[in-house]
Amino acid sequence: AQSVTQLDSQVPVFEEAPVELRCNYSSSVSVYLFWYVQYPNQGLQLLLKYLSGSTLVESINGFEAEFNKSQTSFHLRKPSVHISDTAEYFCAVRGMGGSQGNLIFGKGTKLSVKP
Amino acid sequence: GAGVSQSPSNKVTEKGKDVELRCDPISGHTALYWYRQSLGQGLEFLIYFQGNSAPDKSGLPSDRFSAERTGGSVSTLTIQRTQQEDSAVYLCASSSPRGSLINSPLHFGNGTRLTVT
Repeated sequence: AQSVTQLDSQVPVFEEAPVELRCNYSSSVSVYLFWYVQYPNQGLQLLLKYLSGSTLVESINGFEAEFNKSQTSFHLRKPSVHISDTAEYFCAVRGMGGSQGNLIFGKGTKLSVKP
Repeated sequence: GAGVSQSPSNKVTEKGKDVELRCDPISGHTALYWYRQSLGQGLEFLIYFQGNSAPDKSGLPSDRFSAERTGGSVSTLTIQRTQQEDSAVYLCASSSPRGSLINSPLHFGNGTRLTVT
């Protein structure tokens, strides 16, 4: 079985500051890793994913996440945030070889960007 | 429609009553998922459909919860004898059969907010 821990429930930052949203996972098998984002009054949508290959993955809006197998982490970073990045961010994991349907989510981190 | 549609968007019901929540996935998506989002609890997996069958229903919290899918399309989540702890946002998602099911992104609906009084 897999589990995901997002230690920070809320992260307030000022506009143009850097941000890191932490995600750690636990799994007895290799995993695929995802970040989903939920903007205010919208449904969840995929932000980025790690499946294999390069451990650094990027989104189209400037976020990046790095898969660190030794630390079982997949932290999300952005060097300079915008007001429009205000949203709730969910880290998710799916184990290889297990139930294909079970995408396990963390409890989410609410990012609040202030002017 | 272009996205996953859920109805109703809001539902208030009395404790002990039964409720049905509906999900219309994106046309052509063979995989369908139900999650529950409670305050401070994140997203809790409930059940997954591939076509009309449910290979994984391990997340259903009790026998009061059931779900079905017909015609490989619409799904209904039914909660019998609702309890106050059932209050949450129920999210439905679907994913495309293209490529590997493992890495196909989930497309979520906006959810049904259930309040049990």
